[in-house]
This record gives sequence, C-alpha cells and structure tokens, in this order.
Amino acid sequence: DIQMTQSPSTLSASVGDRVTFTCRVSQSISTWLAWYQQKPGRAPKLLIYKASSLQSGVSLRFSGSGSGTEFTLTISSLQPDDFATYYCQQYHSYPLTFGGGTKVEIK
Amino acid sequence: EVQLLESGGGSAQPGASLRLSCVASGFMFSQYAMSWVRQAPGKGLEWVSGIIWSGATTYYADSVRGRFTISRDNSKNTLYLQMDSLRAEDTAAYFCAKVGPIGEGGYFEYWGQGALVTVSS
Repeated sequence: DIQMTQSPSTLSASVGDRVTFTCRVSQSISTWLAWYQQKPGRAPKLLIYKASSLQSGVSLRFSGSGSGTEFTLTISSLQPDDFATYYCQQYHSYPLTFGGGTKVEIK
Repeated sequence: EVQLLESGGGSAQPGASLRLSCVASGFMFSQYAMSWVRQAPGKGLEWVSGIIWSGATTYYADSVRGRFTISRDNSKNTLYLQMDSLRAEDTAAYFCAKVGPIGEGGYFEYWGQGALVTVSS
C-alpha cells in the first residue's frame, strides 16, 4: 500500500500568515493527489485535485504543488475560516490512502 | 446541487450486520464511480470501498474485505454498503463520496454528511 505522511501534524498560525504543509508519499504517484479541508463535525471538502488544480468554488488563497513523492498545500493569507484539519489523499492506485492530517490552530 | 444523503447507521453488537444507504441527487449518478470513506472518533480518514459507475468492479480496503460489500442501484440513484461481522474497530462515521469524472482519477469531489456506526457489546 502507498503510505502518506503529512507534516507537521499541528501548525499554529495567525490570521494573515502564509502557511505551507507537506505530504510525502512512499512511492511516486505522478500528480494523482488531492487535498481536503475538514472542520469538526463536518464532512471533508475537496480543495485541490491532480496536485495543483483548484476545485471550483474554492478560494484562490489555496494552492497546491508537487509531483512524484512530495507535495505541498499553501494558504497564501490565513483567514479565520481556514482553521481546520487538512488531509492529502493519493489516487494513483488501490487501496486509496490518506495522510494523517495537519491541524491548523490559532496562534 | 449535488446531494448525498446517507442512512442506516446506528448501534450494533460485535458480529452483527448493518446496511448503509446513500441516495444521490443533483448529478448523473449512473455515470460516476462512488466510494465509502470512514472516520473513527478523533481519528483521520480511511477509504473503505469503491465501485465503478456500472457496479461491475468493486474495491475494498484490507480491513473490510470479506466482511463488507459495496453495491449500487443506478435506477434508484442509491449506493449501499452491507457491513457484516462487525467489529468494535468498525465504529466510525461513514461518508458516501462521489468520485471525480472518469479519466480524472479517484479523488472525492462531493461528500455526504456521514452516518454514524457504533459497534459495542
């Protein structure tokens, strides 16, 4: 199975900060990677697919990059609504797998 | 507007069975693959099972293979997850998810609100 490792597991930041988190993959997946945002008690929401394609309706503050085994999600200017947990997911091969998540907390 | 509405969750004893349903609307259900993803309390996301648009091919996580069965009825716009031989570790919120367009891969474009399954004696 393809292993997904997200870092950091928790990130403390302030409104207006530029934040970046990383997803490392145990084998090359080209750009078959998605990013999701999840708030407590809610379903996840798709932000980015194919490593860097912004899902319709998602704020331009979010951007994704990377290929192969290392990927990043960047929030250009953190807003109050962005405090949540973020997950990466590979869809290169079955079983589909998620990273452990990065929780963004208020500093 | 895409909507995915799960039902069928609840409490069960170890070894029992439950069937989850997910009714889809707002898109051509018969043209899209679908999946189930679960989240144990306080934990991360775990993909459980997937099914292609026709139902002809299914996929399972090792943790549920042989115990869970995914299926769909395109005439009813409904996705199912039959869960047998339930274990305590199956306790989780189960999300129904619409997969992205054919050819674009298996990311989860839309999610239901989740159905809670609790397995306890």
